[in-house]
Amino acid sequence: AQSVTQLDSQVPVFEEAPVELRCNYSSSVSVYLFWYVQYPNQGLQLLLKYLSGSTLVKGINGFEAEFNKSQTSFHLRKPSVHISDTAEYFCAGTSGGSYIPTFGRGTSLIVHP
Amino acid sequence: AAGVIQSPRHLIKEKRETATLKCYPIPRHDTVYWYQQGPGQDPQFLISFYEKMQSDKGSIPDRFSAQQFSDYHSELNMSSLELGDSALYFCASSLASLPTEAFFGQGTRLTVV
Repeated sequence: AQSVTQLDSQVPVFEEAPVELRCNYSSSVSVYLFWYVQYPNQGLQLLLKYLSGSTLVKGINGFEAEFNKSQTSFHLRKPSVHISDTAEYFCAGTSGGSYIPTFGRGTSLIVHP
Repeated sequence: AAGVIQSPRHLIKEKRETATLKCYPIPRHDTVYWYQQGPGQDPQFLISFYEKMQSDKGSIPDRFSAQQFSDYHSELNMSSLELGDSALYFCASSLASLPTEAFFGQGTRLTVV
């Protein structure tokens, strides 16, 4: 089964600074990877996903992620964050024919003014 | 566009009571997934249904049961509630032909007192 590891539980950053949220996955077989955002008391919203093809995936709200097979990583990046980006971010993955996403522990992005 | 609707949004129950959570998928979606997210935890997959049949089973306790009805809505029934069942319960839906396009509802927050 696929497992994903989010290396940082909390990432504080100042507004307009760049940010990277790290995610590593475990499976060596074909893998689908996702990033979701969860605002306080809200559901999970899909930011972006990697299924195949180009390793650089662009998502909503200016976020992008790069699939790196050699490093088994799928880090999320944004060149300039806003206060409104403060939220919990979950990396998720599926593999081996299962389409049920397995979630990481989440990274709390805290954007300071 | 219509999204996944979950009801109720909030629910407070006492220990040993029962609870029923409802999920209305996006129109024409035939697959429903249930997740449980404990406080500060990542979402854990409970169970999924495709065309009214259980398709996958995760870490769903024996005290819980679920079903999908002919109109594709799903209900999660929880009995003999315990304090540890307090969590945010998410429902997601997708088309079986596009399983990587899962959309999540806003969740039902269950508090067991």
